[in-house]
Amino acid sequence: NAGVMQNPRHLVRRRGQEARLRCSPMKGHSHVYWYRQLPEEGLKFMVYLQKENIIDESGMPKERFSAEFPKEGPSILRIQQVVRGDSAAYFCASSPLGAKDLFTDTQYFGPGTRLTVL
Amino acid sequence: AQKVTQAQTEISVVEKEDVTLDCVYETRDTTYYLFWYKQPPSGELVFLIRRNSFDEQNEISGRYSWNFQKSTSSFNFTITASQVVDSAVYFCALSEGGFNKFYFGSGTKLNVKP
Repeated sequence: NAGVMQNPRHLVRRRGQEARLRCSPMKGHSHVYWYRQLPEEGLKFMVYLQKENIIDESGMPKERFSAEFPKEGPSILRIQQVVRGDSAAYFCASSPLGAKDLFTDTQYFGPGTRLTVL
Repeated sequence: AQKVTQAQTEISVVEKEDVTLDCVYETRDTTYYLFWYKQPPSGELVFLIRRNSFDEQNEISGRYSWNFQKSTSSFNFTITASQVVDSAVYFCALSEGGFNKFYFGSGTKLNVKP
């Protein structure tokens, strides 16, 4: 069973360009979470999605950032008009049941996408 | 206020020494979950353990052990007889009752020298 897949693993963008980060959850998982890790810091929650729904986006910056998890295909984290401060590692996690199952649910993390903004 | 505090920014030990990584959490929920993850230099996150708030039994897995104490809101992680391969950043994380998002500590960088 393949783990959480993220691509690209490394992404370089110039200021003002768009960055698209993809996350394919583990097979059978319908809940996706995005986290951002700034250099030398811990991970910070950004957004929680289920198929076609945004459940919690309390950690998303109000501008330039958006996320989706369509019925078919991977989840996408999109950053428009990137700035140097967006340089970070972006991790995706998936879980099978989300908030419903309090006893067995665990988030499994992908390898991350390292975004560098020049 | 920080929900998860890892006061030790960086620890250096010599191989075969025991080392304890501290984690203090803060929550008002009665049901919550605590986690430890390892982040080696390659950057991925490796799941180590999950603990439920209603289960205070300590756990041992090989050279790893975890001490969960609700009275002090701590979930400490001990590596016995450390090895160079244990060198990594270790994160403690909290998920509250609704089990949606994780709150991560800032991490403890462990350097194990030969």
